[in-house]
This record gives sequence, structure tokens and C-alpha cells, in this order.
Amino acid sequence: AQSVTQPDIHITVSEGASLELRCNYSYGATPYLFWYVQSPGQGLQLLLKYFSGDTLVQGIKGFEAEFKRSQSSFNLRKPSVHWSDAAEYFCAVGGAGGGADGLTFGKGTHLIIQP
Amino acid sequence: KAGVTQTPRYLIKTRGQQVTLSCSPISGHRSVSWYQQTPGQGLQFLFEYFSETQRNKGNFPGRFSGRQFSNSRSEMNVSTLELGDSALYLCASSLELAGFGTDTQYFGPGTRLTVL
Repeated sequence: AQSVTQPDIHITVSEGASLELRCNYSYGATPYLFWYVQSPGQGLQLLLKYFSGDTLVQGIKGFEAEFKRSQSSFNLRKPSVHWSDAAEYFCAVGGAGGGADGLTFGKGTHLIIQP
Repeated sequence: KAGVTQTPRYLIKTRGQQVTLSCSPISGHRSVSWYQQTPGQGLQFLFEYFSETQRNKGNFPGRFSGRQFSNSRSEMNVSTLELGDSALYLCASSLELAGFGTDTQYFGPGTRLTVL
């Protein structure tokens, strides 16, 4: 069964500092990996996705993520955070073939930005 | 292009009642998936509909059901509501079956269901 682990429940970062959110996945085949962000009272917004090819993917709002197959990781990074980045971040894994069981999400990382 | 819309945005029901939630996908999208989000369990996959047929189903009891119409709009129904059904219910749409190819799911704002 597929699974996603986000080890950090909460992360506090100062505005302007760099950010890295960790994500580890377990999946038996080629994974499709996603990062979503959720602001309070809102749905999920897709930040970026990895399907194949270049292991460093660029997303919206200045975010990037690197797929490392050997470490089963897909960490999200941003060089300089803004107060508006405060939100809940979810890593997700999906099937690369038919009959997928939807997306499997991690429990999320709550990002707090200090002024 | 309009995004995924969900109605209603908020609902309050009592135990034992039933509820129907609605989701309109992005125009041209044929797949609709439903997820339940709770503080304790996080985001969990309920089911996916494609071409009016349920294609995948998560680990939820039979009280949770859904359907999809010919215009790809989908409804989700929960019967005999329990307190534990209180959650944010998210709908997501994609062009094709979410597990195929390189498709991506786009989420709506959700329906907040409170069961008293």
C-alpha cells in the first residue's frame, strides 16, 4: 500500500529565511508526487508535481521540489519565505497506472512565519 | 476557466440524518474524486467517478455513496450521519482517471459538514 510521511507537524521560519519541508513516500511502482498548499478555510492548491524526467521541479510561488528515488523523498524548498506562505502543506503520492486508489496524502506540515 | 465548485459550502445536520453534497468539475474534466479531511485522520480518499461509473473506492462504510451525471457533475451522499462524519469534504476533478497518465487533480474549496 502506498503511504506518505511528513515528519514535521509544525515548522516555524522567519520571514526571508529559507524553507525545506520533508516528505517521504512508499510506493511499489513509479510514483507520481505532488505538493499541495491549503490556507485556512480553503481547498487545496497545487504547488508542483513530479511525473518523470528532471528530478528538480519548479512550481508556483517560487517553490521547488527534488525527487530522490534512492531516499524515497520529495522535499519542498523555497529560498526565501513570505508571510503569505503561512499555511498547511501536503505531500501526496498517486499511482502511475490504472486502477489507482486516488491520491494518498501525508498528514501535513503547518508552516508558521515569524516576522 | 472556472474552477471546481462545491455546494453548499457549509452544512449542519443532526445524527441519523442524511446529506447530499454537490460538486461541479472544471469544464471538460471527466473524473471527479471525493476526499474527507478531518484533524485526526487527515485527507482520506473516498471514491472516484469517471464516465458516470465508480472506478475506485477508499476504505469507507457503505453509508458513503456517490454518483456522477452525464455532464460530469457529481454528488456524494452520506446516510445515517454519525458525529464522526463531521469533516471537510473535498471534491477534485481531472481530465481523465486520476491514476492514468500524467493527469492532475484540481480541488474545490470543500463543504464543511458539522454533525450535531
